[in-house]
Parts: sequence; structure tokens; C-alpha cells
Amino acid sequence: GQQLNQSPQSMFIQEGEDVSMNCTSSSIFNTWLWYKQDPGEGPVLLIALYKAGELTSNGRLTAQFGITRKDSFLNISASIPSDVGIYFCAGHFGNEKLTFGTGTRLTIIP
Amino acid sequence: EPEVTQTPSHQVTQMGQEVILRCVPISNHLYFYWYRQILGQKVEFLVSFYNNEISEKSEIFDDQFSVERPDGSNFTLKIRSTKLEDSAMYFCASSPGTGVEQFFGPGTRLTVL
Repeated sequence: GQQLNQSPQSMFIQEGEDVSMNCTSSSIFNTWLWYKQDPGEGPVLLIALYKAGELTSNGRLTAQFGITRKDSFLNISASIPSDVGIYFCAGHFGNEKLTFGTGTRLTIIP
Repeated sequence: EPEVTQTPSHQVTQMGQEVILRCVPISNHLYFYWYRQILGQKVEFLVSFYNNEISEKSEIFDDQFSVERPDGSNFTLKIRSTKLEDSAMYFCASSPGTGVEQFFGPGTRLTVL
């Protein structure tokens, strides 16, 4: 089956720092999505990317759809305490399910 | 802003018992899904539902599982005879016409004893 690996697995940063994480796949996707999950809650959609090479922003978040269609990147600028959580990439290819990545846990050190 | 809602938030059951997890998708969405997340792991697809029938299911979704849309608003997941390994968070999601952008509910934590 399709595997989505995210790196890093976890990040410890200070408030105000920029964050970069990525997601790589063993196969191509037509759409990449990024979700954030807070403890005990459901994933919340942050950004959706529809075309290879596309760069899309949502406030302090910027995501890119890799040219090979096998990867995607998420950047968060000037992190704030509410950015803490687990970030999941998800790929969509023609059928209806989303394939989720392994997640990147973001922790902000006081 | 419209949201997917799920009930109950936490369900505790004995092994072998039947459970029904309930969801109210976002009104006017056309695609409905169930996913599960074992503690500390990634979110896994179970089943998708469109036009009143299952459109895709994963290998996890075996004969113990069933889904139903009994009326115009509810979407349910039934597990006929729960096993210990069914303990997980179960998320319902819905999507408008494209089936790509999926919006998730808050989840039901199922604990099987």
C-alpha cells in the first residue's frame, strides 16, 4: 500500500521560530492536504494543494506540492503557542480515501 | 461555521458487544467517511460512502463492520462483535462534491475491555 513518511517525527522549538516539515511518498498523489490535530480532537484541515509545483499560503502557513508529486512541504513562520500539536500530511489519488502520513509532533519550549 | 458532530465522545464496551457510533456530517456534503486512529498512530481509512452505498473500503473494514445512513442527516458505524484491538479513536468525515477536502468530526474514543 501507499506509505507516507513525515519528517521530522518531532520538533522542539522556541516561540517565534520558523518551522519546516515534509512528507514523502512511495507513489504519486493528485492532491496533498495538511491537517493539524490537537490532543483528543479530530484533524483540522489547514491547506489543500491541487497541482504539482503549487505553493499555497494560509496565514503563517505555507505549503508546497512537490514537482515529482511524491512529496509536500509545510512551513510555519513565527510560531506561536497555539501551533503546538501533530501535523499530518494526507494524499489523495483519484479514489476517495485519504492516505495519512505518520505525523510530525510540534512542541514549543517556553 | 458548519461542523461534523459525533456521539458519543467516549464509549466503553465489553469484548463481543455491539457498538454503534453516530455522526452528523455537514449538511449538503455528499461524501461520508469513517477513519480510525489507534493511540499514538496515524489516521487510517475504513470506508467511504456515496449515493447511499459503500464506494470504497479498506482491509480493516471486515464483516464485523457496517455503515448506514438511516435518514437525511445521520451516518453510523456499527461494529457487531467488538474485539480488544478495535479500541481506537473513530473519526467521521464528510466532503462536498469533489470528495477531496474532507472535514473531520471530533471523534469517538472506543475502549473495548
